[in-house]
Amino acid sequence: DTGVSQNPRHKITKRGQNVTFRCDPISEHNRLYWYRQTLGQGPEFLTYFQNEAQLEKSRLLSDRFSAERPKGSFSTLEIQRTEQGDSAMYLCASSLATGGFTDTQYFGPGTRLTVL
Amino acid sequence: GQQLNQSPQSMFIQEGEDVSMNCTSSSIFNTWLWYKQDPGEGPVLLIALYKAGELTSNGRLTAQFGITRKDSFLNISASIPSDVGIYFCAGGNKIIFGKGTRLHILP
Repeated sequence: DTGVSQNPRHKITKRGQNVTFRCDPISEHNRLYWYRQTLGQGPEFLTYFQNEAQLEKSRLLSDRFSAERPKGSFSTLEIQRTEQGDSAMYLCASSLATGGFTDTQYFGPGTRLTVL
Repeated sequence: GQQLNQSPQSMFIQEGEDVSMNCTSSSIFNTWLWYKQDPGEGPVLLIALYKAGELTSNGRLTAQFGITRKDSFLNISASIPSDVGIYFCAGGNKIIFGKGTRLHILP
């Protein structure tokens, strides 16, 4: 069991640049989630996939954000035209769906984004 | 929408002391999850609770799913230095997180 992995672990970018993060879930898990966490707060839900289908998106996910899970395995989260307010830790989690939204989720180590 | 209140916000304790923290929700939850997060890392699942009244242990950690389904608590017995970190409760129909309890252990 290799757990959930995320790359890169850290990303520093200039405002206006595009960034892309990758998440590799636990291999048998069919659900994949993206969260954003800012300092002093708990993780905030952004979006989730069941297999390759994106089933829900939070209102936090502006049109500059896009997520994909093309083959139902790894996922990417892209932020276009980054803003300083996008600076945060971006967390990925995966779960094995047994029914209902609150499947037990296992988190990756996160990607810390700093927008200068 | 659903809201979680987690308390206390932070705790300063002596090594060896027991710790108790809790979460309350504005609505009924069908799942409660407790996570620990170390600096620069993702949350690690400690305990998952699925039934009202359920009491589950994981080593020195014990968590309970409140009978009203609107609260949960986490206890840590005989704290040790590696217990330092932020503890989050999470749950709900669409999982939401509390703001965390920061545990500090005094030397």
